[in-house]
Amino acid sequence: GENVEQHPSTLSVQEGDSAVIKCTYSDSASNYFPWYKQELGKGPQLIIDIRSNVGEKKDQRIAVTLNKTAKHFSLHITETQPEDSAVYFCAASFYGQNFVFGPGTRLSVLP
Amino acid sequence: DTAVSQTPKYLVTQMGNDKSIKCEQNLGHDTMYWYKQDSKKFLKIMFSYNNKELIINETVPNRFSPKSPDKAHLNLHINSLELGDSAVYFCASSQDVDSGNTIYFGEGSWLTVV
Repeated sequence: GENVEQHPSTLSVQEGDSAVIKCTYSDSASNYFPWYKQELGKGPQLIIDIRSNVGEKKDQRIAVTLNKTAKHFSLHITETQPEDSAVYFCAASFYGQNFVFGPGTRLSVLP
Repeated sequence: DTAVSQTPKYLVTQMGNDKSIKCEQNLGHDTMYWYKQDSKKFLKIMFSYNNKELIINETVPNRFSPKSPDKAHLNLHINSLELGDSAVYFCASSQDVDSGNTIYFGEGSWLTVV
């Protein structure tokens, strides 16, 4: 079955700096890779996703890159703000089935 | 309008009790899930239902029994609660097989067994 690893487990950055979180997956058949943000006391919320036919996707300060050959994908947050502080999860699935989540990264943006 | 709603949000109960968590989604999705998040924040799938039929049942004690009266509802019943059942339980839903099958999560139910 699919296995998703995520690094780092914790990340602290200064406000305004960039943050990068990396995930690797094991099943080459996986073709959908979402990223979720979980704020304290809330459920995970989708922030961006990417499909296997695309190498990069951007949405304002957030971008995701995918390397199918190496089976890894990354979340990039630029110009970080204190409200970006949260736990971030990556996930991998095959056509939206059998989502497997990474263990999460706790991001702290220091003012 | 909450897309995926679950109740109760907080539940404190004694060992050995039986409790239920209810979940409803108004997104018209075909698939619903229950996830367990432990103290280390790891999200692990427990069950998945597609149009009221069980399609995923991970290694979960049979004290946990999901029930789906219709495709908009997936309730979780837990018998003989144990200390190790303390966790946050998330209900979620997604559309059927298609491109864009994002999972939408509820706000979570914090279960504490004492």
